Amino acid sequence: RKEVEQDPGPFNVPEGATVAFNCTYSNSASQSFFWYRQDCRKEPKLLMSVYSSGNEDGRFTAQLNRASQYISLLIRDSKLSDSATYLCVVNWAGTASKLTFGTGTRLQVTL
Amino acid sequence: DGGITQSPKYLFRKEGQNVTLSCEQNLNHDAMYWYRQDPGQGLRLIYYSQIVNDFQKGDIAEGYSVSREKKESFPLTVTSAQKNPTAFYLCASSIGGQGAYTGELFFGEGSRLTVL
Repeated sequence: RKEVEQDPGPFNVPEGATVAFNCTYSNSASQSFFWYRQDCRKEPKLLMSVYSSGNEDGRFTAQLNRASQYISLLIRDSKLSDSATYLCVVNWAGTASKLTFGTGTRLQVTL
Repeated sequence: DGGITQSPKYLFRKEGQNVTLSCEQNLNHDAMYWYRQDPGQGLRLIYYSQIVNDFQKGDIAEGYSVSREKKESFPLTVTSAQKNPTAFYLCASSIGGQGAYTGELFFGEGSRLTVL
């Protein structure tokens, strides 16, 4: 079983739609969680951290479910510019050297 | 503007040749990292350095070498011993060195290496 698993997609959604991605992790000792965004052939950039109580940043909402060991990302009112690959990242030891990256979920938003 | 600069962006190499990828940061970050990204796989850690003159192997260090002589610079050498060197290489940095990790990695734009 992979340490961090994501549905690779692609998720094809029309502009304005709501879309959600899940990411499961296997290490129950995982401490911190992040979503990164990666545009095609570019570097990843931090989208948002995921807090235990859930957190929102504009159209983006991240949730953590420790009991079931998954995190989620919800995007409301999708824009064309949201088209990208979303990487789930899990940290089990409090240092960046212990980050585990998922393979990413590709989102394509269409007119 | 502060950031991480990687060079070259594209590199072609013949089998058996060593190649060095440059990574420079002006963010004053203590920690720097090298990752490799292959299609269908998550980023994998090659080497990391939390402080000048010190570095550790990551998950896939075989066939690679690094140095950290200056805080700003963390070059990666892909040696001829690396069996599958064709990949997208990403350098990153973070504020925290020893235990002060805030959660964010700052990445360079990457270097795409192709072995002919």
